Amino acid sequence: DGGITQSPKYLFRKEGQNVTLSCEQNLNHDAMYWYRQDPGQGLRLIYYSQIVNDFQKGDIAEGYSVSREKKESFPLTVTSAQKNPTAFYLCASSIDRESIQYFGAGTRLSVL
Amino acid sequence: KQEVTQIPAALSVPEGENLVLNCSFTDSAIYNLQWFRQDPGKGLTSLLLIQSSQREQTSGRLNASLDKSSGRSTLYIAASQPGDSATYLCAVLNDYKLSFGAGTTVTVRA
Repeated sequence: DGGITQSPKYLFRKEGQNVTLSCEQNLNHDAMYWYRQDPGQGLRLIYYSQIVNDFQKGDIAEGYSVSREKKESFPLTVTSAQKNPTAFYLCASSIDRESIQYFGAGTRLSVL
Repeated sequence: KQEVTQIPAALSVPEGENLVLNCSFTDSAIYNLQWFRQDPGKGLTSLLLIQSSQREQTSGRLNASLDKSSGRSTLYIAASQPGDSATYLCAVLNDYKLSFGAGTTVTVRA
């Protein structure tokens, strides 16, 4: 079953804690992306990666970090420096930067 | 910086009526424009992609037009059904970055 898998579906963060959101794809796509969605707003790009071992900051990278050690995996860490982390986080992938992006089902992060 | 606007923010129609969803963008130097569907609490599903050289794209009951020079796209959904109820997002690609509108939430009443 090809696609993008995000886990967990729901995540709770305590004050001062780092949490990591998982994103795995078996589509053999080179490019992967992380977006944040807040109510009433469009998706905003956090980080993107065009190829293994390379990634670039998006519009709202502060307080987040990523790694791309394997083609199929692009985990996102929400650090304690991100003061307003409550949001819906979406991972996407595409063959390249100009092609259709395919999305995972999302992770909803809340603060305890 | 690319700004994408979708009007209206919400729309409610009776079943069978045609839907017209609007999207406008400020920078016309786009590579392509994509329309997505999002169900509550779910990820995005790609509906249509229009390359910058195209004027329209069709898939089943869906038709999307693109007027790059005026910075506008319209998504038409013919003969709406309750299953079409969802939020529809448009996104434009330029400088290798996808910029999204906030979406139009559609309710189709049975």
